[in-house]
Amino acid sequence: DAGVIQSPRHEVTEMGQEVTLRCKPISGHNSLFWYRQTMMRGLELLIYFNNNVPIDDSGMPEDRFSAKMPNASFSTLKIQPSEPRDSAVYFCASSLSGRIGSEQFFGPGTRLTVL
Amino acid sequence: GENVEQHPSTLSVQEGDSAVIKCTYSDSASNYFPWYKQELGKGPQLIIDIRSNVGEKKDQRIAVTLNKTAKHFSLHITETQPEDSAVYFCAAYGAAGNKLTFGGGTRVLVKP
Repeated sequence: DAGVIQSPRHEVTEMGQEVTLRCKPISGHNSLFWYRQTMMRGLELLIYFNNNVPIDDSGMPEDRFSAKMPNASFSTLKIQPSEPRDSAVYFCASSLSGRIGSEQFFGPGTRLTVL
Repeated sequence: GENVEQHPSTLSVQEGDSAVIKCTYSDSASNYFPWYKQELGKGPQLIIDIRSNVGEKKDQRIAVTLNKTAKHFSLHITETQPEDSAVYFCAAYGAAGNKLTFGGGTRVLVKP
């Protein structure tokens, strides 16, 4: 298996532009997580899905952020409009189930720079 | 919600020595504690985990201990090697749902 796939790996954009990050979870996994990593705030959970349904989006910073999971093999995280403080590495992770102890497998991340 | 504190933030050890990273958590209902290793340019990867009904777990050169009464858990790496250099994160899985709360991370440097 190729693992969790994220695209793009790097994104540089200007303030005010729309940014879309993409994730393909491991086949057969039914839980998907979006994290943001910064030096100041560490690794933060933004939102997670079980069986394509958003379960907890309390970590989404503001209405500029939205996430979708139209099917079991694809998810997007969108920022519109983007701001310089959104600059971070965004990780997608997936796990086999929502049960405790299900290992979360992380993708390689998307490094976002907003100028 | 859950709060996880991790210390130290950086740790430099000589090759062959041991490294210890400590974490505390706030939610007494948390019952699963994984440790992740993140190498440069990569996503975190699970290296070991421990559940609340176990006090200690070992896997080759790494071991984790859990003290539920004190609400703290630790990662021990023995006979450190240069390839152990990375950022290590502890995490706690809250009873409230399928969520991991991560500590702030420890950057470990193993000097040859």
